Amino acid sequence: EVQLVESGGGLVQPGGSLRLSCAVSGFTFSSYWMTWVRQAPGKGLEWVANIKQDGSEKYYGDSVKGRFTISRDNAKNSLYLQMNSLRAEDTAVYYCARVVRWGVLERYFDLWGRGTLVTVSS
Amino acid sequence: QSVLTQPPSVSGAPGQRVTISCTGSSSNIGAGYDVHWYQQLPGTAPKLLIYGNINRPSGVPDRFSGSKSGTSASLAVTGLQAEDEADYYCQSYDRGLSGSVFGGGTKLTVL
Repeated sequence: EVQLVESGGGLVQPGGSLRLSCAVSGFTFSSYWMTWVRQAPGKGLEWVANIKQDGSEKYYGDSVKGRFTISRDNAKNSLYLQMNSLRAEDTAVYYCARVVRWGVLERYFDLWGRGTLVTVSS
Repeated sequence: QSVLTQPPSVSGAPGQRVTISCTGSSSNIGAGYDVHWYQQLPGTAPKLLIYGNINRPSGVPDRFSGSKSGTSASLAVTGLQAEDEADYYCQSYDRGLSGSVFGGGTKLTVL
């Protein structure tokens, strides 16, 4: 059974840091690009970051560039998101998802975890 | 303000047909990049519904169909059922932003 299970969310103060994890099972993790997508309460989806199979390429949305770092450990079938300098507007459910390459630049997301809630508040 | 524009809500009676539009620009859909659609049932994670404008993953009913023309795309749902009540999101690639972009989402209500 395919599973993507996020963890690490919680309450953090503005300016603080948090590290999210996504444990994957049921498919060959090392063969796929992976992504983080977030959803603020009552709002729509926002792409956060992508990472290539071997971690050699990483791409970020403008709103998190320079503050968030995506990484992976293929030996542990795990995806990570290190979030620094957190702001109130980073409050969201964070989903990890499997990426399917559709053309040179295009991507879509075919498998999703259930998400983990990050709340940035004092 | 989302890069891709969707109507906030649409509705229809059971058995009817509804369409959800997704309007972009020359930096994304109009540049030739394909559109993908996701369904998010209340309280759950998004689920891939349509990829590459018109393709349905295994298990998605053929009541759902997609199309694309110019700078816009559409999702059609025929034979509306109560379980179709959900939020629907379009997604594409934007060359100006060098990344994936989503529409703001459309809430489908089955009357």
